[in-house]
Amino acid sequence: EVQLVESGGGLVQPGGSLRLSCAASGFSFSSSAMSWVRQAPGKGLEWVSDISPSGANRYSADSVKGRFTISRDNSNNTVYLQMNSLRAGDTAVYYCAKEKSLENWGQGTLVTVSS
Amino acid sequence: DVVMTQSPLSLPVTLGQPASISCRSSQSLVHSDGYTYLNWFQQRPGQSPRRLIYEVSNRDSGVPDRFSGSGSGTDFTLKISRVEAEDVGVYYCMQGTHRPSFGGGTKVEIK
Repeated sequence: EVQLVESGGGLVQPGGSLRLSCAASGFSFSSSAMSWVRQAPGKGLEWVSDISPSGANRYSADSVKGRFTISRDNSNNTVYLQMNSLRAGDTAVYYCAKEKSLENWGQGTLVTVSS
Repeated sequence: DVVMTQSPLSLPVTLGQPASISCRSSQSLVHSDGYTYLNWFQQRPGQSPRRLIYEVSNRDSGVPDRFSGSGSGTDFTLKISRVEAEDVGVYYCMQGTHRPSFGGGTKVEIK
């Protein structure tokens, strides 16, 4: 069974940083692209970033480009989202998902950016 | 960027009756590899999203056959043949042909 468990969310001040983790199990992680998607409170879904199986190719939404960095550790079956220069508009539940087609989702982790 | 437009915004449905959600893209979703990367997701209240349909019309494992997807190019539809209580939630289309983007969502509720 595919399992994706996000962690690392919390309250952070504007301008601060946070690193999210997503621990994967139940599938061949090193053969799978991984994605991050976020959902602001009461709003719809927004694609944030994705990374190829090897980590060689990474893509990000314009809204986070230059501030967020996706990475992965295939030896530990974990994908990360490093978030810098956080803004109030980044407040959301962040989900990791398997593949670019978002085949399976985690339960999400809440990031709140507020002073 | 590709804009995905869903309609309606809200869809009140009687139990056992059909429901249909439209999703239109601002550009063709036919990839250079010949595939059309249009997916549908269901988000029940308080839950994470769940993929229902991938590549326009392929149902995911465990998805009831009352759900079906169709369409081509820029015009796509998700149909529920007979709505059940467990289908209440928000439905999103999403394209992965270009840089990924979601529709705004359609809230399905029981009349």
